[in-house]
Amino acid sequence: DAKTTQPPSMDCAEGRAANLPCNHSTISGNEYVYWYRQIHSQGPQYIIHGLKNNETNEMASLIITEDRKSSTLILPHATLRDTAVYYCIVSGNTPLVFGKGTRLSVIA
Amino acid sequence: ETGVTQSPTHLIKTRGQQVTLRCSSQSGHNTVSWYQQALGQGPQFIFQYYREEENGRGNFPPRFSGLQFPNYSSELNVNALELDDSALYLCASSPMVRGATGELFFGEGSRLTVL
Repeated sequence: DAKTTQPPSMDCAEGRAANLPCNHSTISGNEYVYWYRQIHSQGPQYIIHGLKNNETNEMASLIITEDRKSSTLILPHATLRDTAVYYCIVSGNTPLVFGKGTRLSVIA
Repeated sequence: ETGVTQSPTHLIKTRGQQVTLRCSSQSGHNTVSWYQQALGQGPQFIFQYYREEENGRGNFPPRFSGLQFPNYSSELNVNALELDDSALYLCASSPMVRGATGELFFGEGSRLTVL
């Protein structure tokens, strides 16, 4: 079973920041937080991952709380092409276990 | 694009038949994982291969089997197909990274319909 809890769906206005929350209260010290997204009819796409510190890349920012029990994925300026299902996954050196994710709808 | 290619993209089989799905990994990646994604669900882990050996398996019966070849390409075989096997089958390649699963590079999937 997935070790994370995410809201089933969220809406975001185009051009605004999309903040996607994830709870992972049972995360272990050696487990990373991964985010993937899946656009309709495509394979999942890696976005970002982190262990303790906040991370940023060209796609998104990942904010992990100090106790590591939750995190937030931030898409700074959402576009219509960011409409997708977003998966938050915690994993050490084990296969990724996907839950049902959050369906993000970006609205014009 | 991820550099991971899967074939065929779509196929239809009947119950009881056998199917083979193929995956070509991204260059330099020695690990391949297979996932099954039913409609409306997240991908479910089937198994992983590292350097031609099975390196982990999810909760799938033995009629789901796989191979990894010396060039790190891979096959997923499913025998005695059942209606519930209808799904999108995803292949993902990655370099083996000590201590972390690392980034997986997914293909576009093979959509199997069992009638």
